[in-house]
Amino acid sequence: AQSVAQPEDQVNVAEGNPLTVKCTYSVSGNPYLFWYVQYPNRGLQFLLKYITGDNLVKGSYGFEAEFNKSQTSFHLKKPSALVSDSALYFCAAGGDSSYKLIFGSGTRLLVRP
Amino acid sequence: DGGITQSPKYLFRKEGQNVTLSCEQNLNHDAMYWYRQDPGQGLRLIYYSQIVNDFQKGDIAEGYSVSREKKESFPLTVTSAQKNPTAFYLCASSIGQGIVNTQYFGPGTRLTVL
Repeated sequence: AQSVAQPEDQVNVAEGNPLTVKCTYSVSGNPYLFWYVQYPNRGLQFLLKYITGDNLVKGSYGFEAEFNKSQTSFHLKKPSALVSDSALYFCAAGGDSSYKLIFGSGTRLLVRP
Repeated sequence: DGGITQSPKYLFRKEGQNVTLSCEQNLNHDAMYWYRQDPGQGLRLIYYSQIVNDFQKGDIAEGYSVSREKKESFPLTVTSAQKNPTAFYLCASSIGQGIVNTQYFGPGTRLTVL
């Protein structure tokens, strides 16, 4: 069965420090990987995706993610966190033969001033 | 959220009532999706439609129904058969079928059963 794991319910980081939000996946075939962010009572906003090509993907608001095929991971990173980055982050994945995305359970990022 | 609208933002339902959630997009996208979000869980797919007049069940379709009579509209009806409908409902669309195409989400409707 296909699955996405976000092992941390919450990540705490000080403003200005680097942040990492972890994601591992299990899908059939070549993976398509996505990161979304959700602010309270809002829909999901697309941050970035990996389809093929460079393992380091750059996205919106200074976020980037690194695809690691051997570790089946797609961790989200940002070199310098902002308080406004505080939100709920979802990783999603699907195999190239699949019709649907599988979402992780979400990681709450809290950036303290 | 631009390009996809959902209404109402908040909806209250009494036991035994059917309610319909609206989803409209002006992005000229072919594919549309309905997800349910519960606290501490990821999004779960209810229904999806890859083209007008066609739709398929997702993982949790029981107690829900949809229609796709127009390209821009994909309403979701939560029927009285849905035993635990209180949740946050998200509509999404993508330019074409297949998960290679990025899904863009509406602002959501929060449904509460009284």
